[in-house]
Amino acid sequence: AQSVTQLDSHVSVSEGTPVLLRCNYSSSYSPSLFWYVQHPNKGLQLLLKYTSAATLVKGINGFEAEFKKSETSFHLTKPSAHMSDAAEYFCVAVDNYGQNFVFGPGTRLSVLP
Amino acid sequence: NAGVTQTPKFQVLKTGQSMTLQCAQDMNHEYMSWYRQDPGMGLRLIHYSVGAGITDQGEVPNGYNVSRSTTEDFPLRLLSAAPSQTSVYFCASSYGPRLAGLTGELFFGEGSRLTVL
Repeated sequence: AQSVTQLDSHVSVSEGTPVLLRCNYSSSYSPSLFWYVQHPNKGLQLLLKYTSAATLVKGINGFEAEFKKSETSFHLTKPSAHMSDAAEYFCVAVDNYGQNFVFGPGTRLSVLP
Repeated sequence: NAGVTQTPKFQVLKTGQSMTLQCAQDMNHEYMSWYRQDPGMGLRLIHYSVGAGITDQGEVPNGYNVSRSTTEDFPLRLLSAAPSQTSVYFCASSYGPRLAGLTGELFFGEGSRLTVL
């Protein structure tokens, strides 16, 4: 069975400083992995996805994530945080059949002025 | 292209009432699903469907029914609402198993906020 762990429930950074949101997965195979963002009172929007083509994945709004199989990790980074990045972020894994989506518990990102 | 459309956006029910949350997608996705989101618990899968006429239970199916008579629609029914069902509900769709080699992401509706008194 798959599982997804997000190591921090809340991360706080200052505007203009780097962002690191951590995600680890557990699976008997290499799943596809996604990061979603949810702004307050909104639906979930896809930031980026890994589907085994390239280990470093670039997404929208300057975010990127690196798939490291040896560490079973898919951490999300951004070089410089913006106030508009304040939101909840979810790491998600799906099996090879595109059917069993497993969500991490989410990390709330706060950006301080 | 509307994507995934959920109605209603807000609903207040009394304990014991029934209602249906509607979900429709216009992307010809095979896979559709319902999640509930509660504070501190992330998203939990209620039911899902991999095609018309096929449904299955997720992590928290009790108190909910679904059906999938068409590719486009996947309604979620609350049979007898309880305060524990107060939550935000999200419908999501994806390409599904037939296009597993192009495993795609979930596309989400904007959510339905349900309060059960």
